[in-house]
Amino acid sequence: AQTVTQSQPEMSVQEAETVTLSCTYDTSESDYYLFWYKQPPSRQMILVIRQEAYKQQNATENRFSVNFQKAAKSFSLKISDSQLGDAAMYFCAYRSLDTGNQFYFGTGTSLTVIP
Amino acid sequence: GAVVSQHPSRVICKSGTSVKIECRSLDFQATTMFWYRQFPKQSLMLMATSNEGSKATYEQGVEKDKFLINHASLTLSTLTVTSAHPEDSSFYICSAARGSRMDEQFFGPGTRLTVL
Repeated sequence: AQTVTQSQPEMSVQEAETVTLSCTYDTSESDYYLFWYKQPPSRQMILVIRQEAYKQQNATENRFSVNFQKAAKSFSLKISDSQLGDAAMYFCAYRSLDTGNQFYFGTGTSLTVIP
Repeated sequence: GAVVSQHPSRVICKSGTSVKIECRSLDFQATTMFWYRQFPKQSLMLMATSNEGSKATYEQGVEKDKFLINHASLTLSTLTVTSAHPEDSSFYICSAARGSRMDEQFFGPGTRLTVL
């Protein structure tokens, strides 16, 4: 199975500042999807952003953007102009296209936003 | 659109009893649903992949006789924890994949199971 690694169990950022969450993954596949999900205290998983491996252009969604480095197998999430509502657990996820379309999640990064 | 519900949201049961958790895609048809387990402050661990009309595919280490999965329709999958024990206490989350490419999963709100 593919492995997804998030090396930062906890991160904090000042409100209105920018923070980057890191994610690396291990795979031998050439085509796959990568995701960042947010899990607030309600435990509801919310999709933040998605990247298709065959696209070189980094995905962006408003204040959220990724730095996708396919050769390095790195997929970091940048949150700009951080807001209090951004505080949550963030999970990086890999979706295989070759082995049953399963999602594999990283261990998560707990983000605290300081007012 | 793309709403997934789970019922119940919280259940407490006695050791040895069975508990059924329902996962429904409310406004789309989901050929594939996934069941995850999440321990406190940990990641989601995939338990099984459920395809409509066929047997579920379980991840290594997950007891198929313990965690029965039924995907009877394109909008409903159920997870039954049989003969539950305290170590089965956890947060169970389902997700439903939409479309043939299944490039996105929509998650249910989760079910907190506590086995006394």
